[in-house]
Amino acid sequence: SQTIHQWPATLVQPVGSPLSLECTVEGTSNPNLYWYRQAAGRGLQLLFYSVGIGQISSEVPQNLSASRPQDRQFILSSKKLLLSDSGFYLCAWSPLIIRELFFGEGSRLTVL
Amino acid sequence: GESVGLHLPTLSVQEGDNSIINCAYSNSASDYFIWYKQESGKGPQFIIDIRSNMDKRQGQRVTVLLNKTVKHLSLQIAATQPGDSAVYFCAKNNAGNMLTFGGGTRLMVKP
Repeated sequence: SQTIHQWPATLVQPVGSPLSLECTVEGTSNPNLYWYRQAAGRGLQLLFYSVGIGQISSEVPQNLSASRPQDRQFILSSKKLLLSDSGFYLCAWSPLIIRELFFGEGSRLTVL
Repeated sequence: GESVGLHLPTLSVQEGDNSIINCAYSNSASDYFIWYKQESGKGPQFIIDIRSNMDKRQGQRVTVLLNKTVKHLSLQIAATQPGDSAVYFCAKNNAGNMLTFGGGTRLMVKP
């Protein structure tokens, strides 16, 4: 069966520090991969998606970047965090022809 | 479009009552409609989906209704339990092979 893992689960970082959130998928090949952000009490905002290694599409201009160095690995990064980067970050995967998304457990980022 | 900037609307129900969570959509070019449940501090989990050629689908204690005429999707939860307390998102696929999510509804179950 397919599984998705993301880490760390919780992160507290100072403003201006770098960020790296990692997500891996097991049990499938060539998944579409996604990063979403969810502010407290808000809906889901799509940040990035990837249909293959090295292929990244950005939905929202921002302080963040994403990379896909391997087929089942998706990384969310920032060189210098802002206070507004605080939120709950969700990684997800889908088959090539999307029917549903499978979400990870989320990473809560607090920028102080 | 996504309602990511809005506070979630809240539905409060008494334990044992039925809950109905609604979702309206504008773009009709969708094959699937999906409901997700997100418990506090966790990622959204798939509940049930429905194809666009259906108007009703039932699961365990949940029923999804699709009215394409008025572009309305609803999730009905029978005999709501405290464990049903969560945020519920509707979603649909679109022509760009992506899922579009609704803004979400917070369901609170009162004991």
